[in-house]
Amino acid sequence: QQQVKQSPQSLIVQKGGISIINCAYENTAFDYFPWYQQFPGKGPALLIAIRPDVSEKKEGRFTISFNKSAKQFSLHIMDSQPGDSATYFCAASNPGSARQLTFGSGTQLTVLP
Amino acid sequence: DAGVIQSPRHEVTEMGQEVTLRCKPISGHDYLFWYRQTMMRGLELLIYFNNNVPIDDSGMPEDRFSAKMPNASFSTLKIQPSEPRDSAVYFCASSRKTGSGYTFGSGTRLTVV
Repeated sequence: QQQVKQSPQSLIVQKGGISIINCAYENTAFDYFPWYQQFPGKGPALLIAIRPDVSEKKEGRFTISFNKSAKQFSLHIMDSQPGDSATYFCAASNPGSARQLTFGSGTQLTVLP
Repeated sequence: DAGVIQSPRHEVTEMGQEVTLRCKPISGHDYLFWYRQTMMRGLELLIYFNNNVPIDDSGMPEDRFSAKMPNASFSTLKIQPSEPRDSAVYFCASSRKTGSGYTFGSGTRLTVV
């Protein structure tokens, strides 16, 4: 019940296209859903996060869409750029676990020039 | 702020040797987490501390692994004796009490030959 399932495992997008990464969870106690971006040789870095009281959050070209009833959330990268090429992790946490994050398995995004 | 600082960045050791990984969290962060990242298993939580006290070490693979946090600005993860299957990237992360997201270090790439 603690799992967060992420898809796809890898994604190739043309420059200027839209990248979409999906995650699903089972634990209804989760109340914080961040996305992390990781470049090779670096640690994951917080990209954007959402709480379940809203259905969408947008920061620049990055948008999280959240569907509470379906227990799914997704990351949309608009106008994808080669510099966006990285591994993306979704995660979730609940208030009862010291904000311990449960991570998805990661999506390796490649944006072709 | 220098962020979460880990050392060394790379470690190559022979099987059976003791390995010590070090972490300096962000000042003022009450939580410290140790993660292991591999291609096969993704990001795995090994142990986390709250105010220097270990709270959950259920992710530590076996007794060969130990972690300490003697003060608010320093933590170590020790593997003794090391084995080739311990080869991975080990990340330290810290967060505030409010749980607004983790800040990861750049990781230590451990290779046990």
